[in-house]
Amino acid sequence: TQLLEQSPQFLSIQEGENLTVYCNSSSVFSSLQWYRQEPGEGPVLLVTVVTGGEVKKLKRLTFQFGDARKDSSLHITAAQPGDTGLYLCAGEDRGSTLGRLYFGRGTQLTVWP
Amino acid sequence: EAGVAQSPRYKIIEKRQSVAFWCNPISGHATLYWYQQILGQGPKLLIQFQNNGVVDDSQLPKDRFSAERLKGVDSTLKIQPAKLEDSAVYLCASSTRQALTSEQYFGPGTRLTVT
Repeated sequence: TQLLEQSPQFLSIQEGENLTVYCNSSSVFSSLQWYRQEPGEGPVLLVTVVTGGEVKKLKRLTFQFGDARKDSSLHITAAQPGDTGLYLCAGEDRGSTLGRLYFGRGTQLTVWP
Repeated sequence: EAGVAQSPRYKIIEKRQSVAFWCNPISGHATLYWYQQILGQGPKLLIQFQNNGVVDDSQLPKDRFSAERLKGVDSTLKIQPAKLEDSAVYLCASSTRQALTSEQYFGPGTRLTVT
C-alpha cells in the first residue's frame, strides 16, 4: 500500500514547456520532501516543506505544501534537458518512528532538446 | 564534506547465495537508514539505526535479511539466502537529528541482480 501517490508516473516534454507533478495522500505529514534521482545515483534532496500552505521556490522549481499537509505539488517552468530525472516525494511522519520517510513511486521526467 | 559511501556498486549472484553490502555514513550523522528500491518504485525503508541501536526494522524480512551497525558508524546489510525478488538497488542514507526535519543524504546505492 502506497501512502503517497504521485502523478503522472511518466512525463515526456519538450524543452521550454511547463509541467506540474502531484503528490497526494490521505495521511497528514510533519513535512514533505522532494528528491531528484538520476540513473545510478541515490536521491538528492531538493526541498523540504513544513508548514501547511507553504510555497518554496528554487530557481525554476516551485514547491507547494497543501493546507492540510496531505499533498504537495512541484511545478517546473521552462523545463530544460538537465531537469530530466526521477522526482520523488517523501512524507515524514514524526508521530511514529522518528524521522521515518514514506516515499511515493516517483515521476520519471524526460525533457527533450 | 564527504558523502555517504557504499560498496560494492554492483553485485550479481545466483539465488540461494549470500551477499553483503557496506555503508559509511556522513561523519557525525547518528541516524542511518537502509532502503530497498525496486525498479519503477520509490525507496522502501528496511531498517533504521540511531547510533548503534535499531529504531525501526518492521519492514525487514528477518528470515533472510540482517543488518548491524557496530560502534555506531559503518553498517552492513546481509541477505542470506537471496531470492529472485531481492533484485533491487539497496540505498543507504544518513541524517542528523539536530535538524528540525529528517533530511536524509543518500549514497549511490548497490545494484543487486539475483539470477
